[in-house]
Amino acid sequence: AQTVTQSQPEMSVQEAETVTLSCTYDTSESNYYLFWYKQPPSRQMILVIRQEAYKQQNATENRFSVNFQKAAKSFSLKISDSQLGDTAMYFCAFYGGATNKLIFGTGTLLAVQP
Amino acid sequence: DAGVTQSPTHLIKTRGQHVTLRCSPISGHKSVSWYQQVLGQGPQFIFQYYEKEERGRGNFPDRFSARQFPNYSSELNVNALLLGDSALYLCASSFLAGTYNEQFFGPGTRLTVL
Repeated sequence: AQTVTQSQPEMSVQEAETVTLSCTYDTSESNYYLFWYKQPPSRQMILVIRQEAYKQQNATENRFSVNFQKAAKSFSLKISDSQLGDTAMYFCAFYGGATNKLIFGTGTLLAVQP
Repeated sequence: DAGVTQSPTHLIKTRGQHVTLRCSPISGHKSVSWYQQVLGQGPQFIFQYYEKEERGRGNFPDRFSARQFPNYSSELNVNALLLGDSALYLCASSFLAGTYNEQFFGPGTRLTVL
């Protein structure tokens, strides 16, 4: 069974600084998708970034980038130039196999300090 | 365009009762997924429907059921409520089937079981 682990329950960063959120996963699938979703205090979850496992190039979306290490089964999210609006719960998620399930980690609560 | 809408926003029920939660997807989206988010945890996948057919099911008891209507809206039904069913129930829509497609989440329904 696939599992997703986020080992940092809470993190804090100063505005304009860079922060990295960690995620590891376990799977026997060879092809799969990885995601970072953001859930701000208002609760509406939004997709931040997506990585397809067969693509070696790390995905980037403006200030957000990932470090995808397939052999190590690691998928970290780097947020550059942190902004107050980045304050949210961040969830790492995995999709793979025939079950059509999106599996979420337990989340990391990121607080951006002014 | 309106985003994903869910009703009701909040709901209080007692053990043993039945509940129906409703979701309207983004216009043009044909797939709806349901998730349960217990406080302090990541969302857990319950169901995905596409074109009125079930395309995926999570590890939830048969007390949980869902359906999708011709207009692509969806209902989640939970029978014989237990205290442990207290959670935020999230609905997400996507244009295509497969939860690897970007999902757009609604604000959720907060269910409290007393």
